[in-house]
Amino acid sequence: DGGITQSPKYLFRKEGQNVTLSCEQNLNHDAMYWYRQDPGQGLRLIYYSQIVNDFQKGDIAEGYSVSREKKESFPLTVTSAQKNPTAFYLCASSSGGQLPIAKNIQYFGAGTRLSVL
Amino acid sequence: GIQVEQSPPDLILQEGANSTLRCNFSDSVNNLQWFHQNPWGQLINLFYIPSGTKQNGRLSATTVATERYSLLYISSSQTTDSGVYFCAVVVTAAGNKLTFGGGTRVLVKP
Repeated sequence: DGGITQSPKYLFRKEGQNVTLSCEQNLNHDAMYWYRQDPGQGLRLIYYSQIVNDFQKGDIAEGYSVSREKKESFPLTVTSAQKNPTAFYLCASSSGGQLPIAKNIQYFGAGTRLSVL
Repeated sequence: GIQVEQSPPDLILQEGANSTLRCNFSDSVNNLQWFHQNPWGQLINLFYIPSGTKQNGRLSATTVATERYSLLYISSSQTTDSGVYFCAVVVTAAGNKLTFGGGTRVLVKP
């Protein structure tokens, strides 16, 4: 099945711990994104990557880090510097490539719910 | 940055009713998408509609780019239409990022 797979579905973080959320896509998309959603709110962009080995900060990048070593993978690390990490995290991808990224349709994974112990 | 406002924030419908959701945005956009977030959190693409009108079954959407708004119409609503509806826009000058509105929470009662 083609799509975007996020794991785990639920994750618990201890004080001072770094945790990594996985996002894998088999859609052959060039661009990938990470969003955060707080209860009752819309989504906010954390980081995005238009191509392998390149990524840019979104609106709320502080306390997060990413890597893009492979086209199909875009893991997000929530570091201990993120003081309020409890949220729903969504990964997305879009085809990118020859189209201007503004005209790409973004498709989303099922999300990871992160809570603090 | 661009502001995206959705109205109404909450909507309660009787099954079979029709409704209109609105999305206003404060700047010219290159991309506008409507999404439905189901009760499990999954975000489903409904429409990619930077301008014009599109229809998909009981749902249709219209974007009037020159007046900076988009409308999502739900006809003959069903309980499965419940959830949160988001519009999101891209302004190229803002770095090709999707900016989301706050959503409209829809509950369809049987």
